Amino acid sequence: GENVEQHPSTLSVQEGDSAVIKCTYSDSASNYFPWYKQELGKGPQLIIDIRSNVGEKKDQRIAVTLNKTAKHFSLHITETQPEDSAVYFCAASKSGGYQKVTFGTGTKLQVIP
Amino acid sequence: EAGVAQSPRYKIIEKRQSVAFWCNPISGHATLYWYQQILGQGPKLLIQFQNNGVVDDSQLPKDRFSAERLKGVDSTLKIQPAKLEDSAVYLCASSGTGYEQFFGPGTRLTVL
Repeated sequence: GENVEQHPSTLSVQEGDSAVIKCTYSDSASNYFPWYKQELGKGPQLIIDIRSNVGEKKDQRIAVTLNKTAKHFSLHITETQPEDSAVYFCAASKSGGYQKVTFGTGTKLQVIP
Repeated sequence: EAGVAQSPRYKIIEKRQSVAFWCNPISGHATLYWYQQILGQGPKLLIQFQNNGVVDDSQLPKDRFSAERLKGVDSTLKIQPAKLEDSAVYLCASSGTGYEQFFGPGTRLTVL
């Protein structure tokens, strides 16, 4: 089955700096890569996603890049703010019949004011 | 639009007891997921329903876990009997025609 590895497990940045989280996946058939943000006591919430036919996607301060050849994808957060502090999960899935999503182990991001 | 509802939010039981969790997905969402999230880990899929049929339960410990989705809407996840290692947050999610999964707040289970 699919295996998703995520690094780093914890990340501390100063407010205003950039944060980068990296993930690798094992199944070359995976074609959908969402990123979720989980705040304390809440369920994960989708913040951005990318499909395998696209190399990069940006939404305001958040961007995701995908390298299909190397089977890795990254989340970039620019101009970090204290409210960006949370746990971030990458995930990988493939369609066909039904969609099964495999999550990474998570990155706890702390933005220091 | 109302989100995914789960209850209870917290549950403390002793090992070998039984427990049940309830989930009400977003109206109209055909696909419903139950995940187990152990502290410090990512969510792990336990079971996935398409309407009221099971499409994936490969990671569900069927000797103690069971789930059903009545009439393709609400769902219940049961653990009987519970073990210490079942302590986790149980997340329910639903999705419609798109890829995005919408998660509920989860039920935090502590097994003593």
